[in-house]
Amino acid sequence: ETGVTQSPTHLIKTRGQQVTLRCSSQSGHNTVSWYQQALGQGPQFIFQYYREEENGRGNFPPRFSGLQFPNYSSELNVNALELDDSALYLCASSLEGGNEQFFGPGTRLTVL
Amino acid sequence: KQEVTQIPAALSVPEGENLVLNCSFTDSAIYNLQWFRQDPGKGLTSLLLIQSSQREQTSGRLNASLDKSSGRSTLYIAASQPGDSATYLCAVRTGGGNKLTFGTGTQLKVEL
Repeated sequence: ETGVTQSPTHLIKTRGQQVTLRCSSQSGHNTVSWYQQALGQGPQFIFQYYREEENGRGNFPPRFSGLQFPNYSSELNVNALELDDSALYLCASSLEGGNEQFFGPGTRLTVL
Repeated sequence: KQEVTQIPAALSVPEGENLVLNCSFTDSAIYNLQWFRQDPGKGLTSLLLIQSSQREQTSGRLNASLDKSSGRSTLYIAASQPGDSATYLCAVRTGGGNKLTFGTGTQLKVEL
């Protein structure tokens, strides 16, 4: 069974640029959630996708958007990057109605 | 709005000591509570999941308890080892969907 994978591992961008982060869910999991973790903080919920539709969103502006594909993999897109977007971005997958979430290793985004 | 607090923020103990990490949450209407471990710059590893109807869960040297009515959970680590050094995060699932609300974590250091 393959766990949750994320790419890339690290990314450096400049203010105003756009970025796409990718996540492959654990085998059989159809729900993907994205979290942002700033240094020294707990992860903050960005949004969740279930069967290719957004199914819940946290307190993040519209420039944070996402997609889920038929194979349940997912993308997080961030437009007009700001310095405060520098963080570890975590993806988690779970089963429909399932209780436990399984996290990937994260993508470290640095915005200069 | 659910808020999760973890005390202490940091803890340093000698090897072999038993220790307790605390987590409190403001909204007792939770579906479950999950404890995670996070190594520096890495993703989250799920340690224990407690359903709202359960009082405790055990895995090896770890025991987590839940008192939903008082909004508290504890993670007990027996016979601590240097390899237990990491940040421990608790998270609660509240309401619909799989959104988790995290605390800011307890940074544990176990010294030889």
